[in-house]
Amino acid sequence: EVQLVESGGGFVQPGGSLRLSCAASGFTFSTYWMSWVRQAPGKGLEWVANIKQDANEKYYVDSVQGRFTISRDNAKNSLFLQMNSLRVEDTALYYCARWGLQQSGMDVWGQGTTVTVSS
Amino acid sequence: SYELTQPPSVSVAPGQMARITCSGEALPKRYVYWYQQRPGQFPVLVINRNFERPSGIPERFSGSTSGTIVTLTISKVQAEDEADYYCLSADSSGFYWVFGGGTKLTVL
Repeated sequence: EVQLVESGGGFVQPGGSLRLSCAASGFTFSTYWMSWVRQAPGKGLEWVANIKQDANEKYYVDSVQGRFTISRDNAKNSLFLQMNSLRVEDTALYYCARWGLQQSGMDVWGQGTTVTVSS
Repeated sequence: SYELTQPPSVSVAPGQMARITCSGEALPKRYVYWYQQRPGQFPVLVINRNFERPSGIPERFSGSTSGTIVTLTISKVQAEDEADYYCLSADSSGFYWVFGGGTKLTVL
């Protein structure tokens, strides 16, 4: 079964850090671009970051550029999001998602992990 | 920064047709993807690469494009189609992605 399982969310004060993880299974992880997408409470979806198969290309939404770092470990079928200098507005449910092949959309999603930034 | 614009809400009676639009300057050059999100669930891809319907998505879902406006059409809407719908596309560079603000589909 193709599956993505996120972990690492929690409660953190403004300025703090968290590292999210996403464990992939059921497919050849190293073959796919991967993403993080977030959704603030009661709000819409927001693309956060993309990473290429070999991690040589990474792209971020402007609001997290310089604070968040996306990475992956293909040997361990894992995706990560290091979040530093967290702000209240980073509070959201963070989804890990797989991009399909040949410019297909994000076709596999995890259940998400919740990040709450508050003083 | 690049934006995709969707109507906040669309209402339709069961069995009728629903159309949800998404507008953006780069849409003539970029693929659009449509997602359905029911409350408390992760998004599901319902239209891939402008027109394609992924495996398992009912035939009543279809996508079309016309210049800077793309449309998700749901024919013969059913109660189970009530959800939030989001368009997704990239900016002109192709590397930075944006979701539309989302459209809440209400089945009357």
